[in-house]
Amino acid sequence: AQTVTQSQPEMSVQEAETVTLSCTYDTSESNYYLFWYKQPPSRQMILVIRQEAYKQQNATENRFSVNFQKAAKSFSLKISDSQLGDTAMYFCAFMIRRIKAAGNKLTFGGGTRVLVKP
Amino acid sequence: EAQVTQNPRYLITVTGKKLTVTCSQNMNHEYMSWYRQDPGLGLRQIYYSMNVEVTDKGDVPEGYKVSRKEKRNFPLILESPSPNQTSLYFCASSLAIRGLPGEQYFGPGTRLTVT
Repeated sequence: AQTVTQSQPEMSVQEAETVTLSCTYDTSESNYYLFWYKQPPSRQMILVIRQEAYKQQNATENRFSVNFQKAAKSFSLKISDSQLGDTAMYFCAFMIRRIKAAGNKLTFGGGTRVLVKP
Repeated sequence: EAQVTQNPRYLITVTGKKLTVTCSQNMNHEYMSWYRQDPGLGLRQIYYSMNVEVTDKGDVPEGYKVSRKEKRNFPLILESPSPNQTSLYFCASSLAIRGLPGEQYFGPGTRLTVT
């Protein structure tokens, strides 16, 4: 079974500064995806960034980037130039990249609440 | 607009009173799932379906039922709700691209309180 751990329950950051969220995972699978989801107060689940395990290059999406360390099973998210709208709960998630794997099940970490202060 | 809809968005009910939360997607996705979200635990999969009439248990199926009679709909049924089923529920759907996972689309969530 897969597990995902987010060790930081809450973090705060000043507007325009950088914050890094930690995520570690455990799996015996070699082929998988990793995701970061954002959940603002509206409760909507929003995909922030996705990494495919077979790709060496770290994914980036505008101000969001990841540091993917496959051997260490670590997948951190860096938010640069933080904005007030980044205030949200952030979830790290894992999905096996295999045909018909539990209906594309996502395994989530417990979440990190990020507060961006003006 | 491509979307996953859930109804109701909020529900307060009493122990033992059967309820159904509906989920519908308009993207012709094969795969659909139900998750529950609890503080500190993230989201956990309850049930999933890989096509019409094909459903299976996720990680926390106890106390829930599902059905998939049509491709677009995947209702979640609580036959006899209990207070420990108070939670935030999400429906999600995704394509299978040559059998491999595509992007997951989430519904807006249903906040259920069982007293």
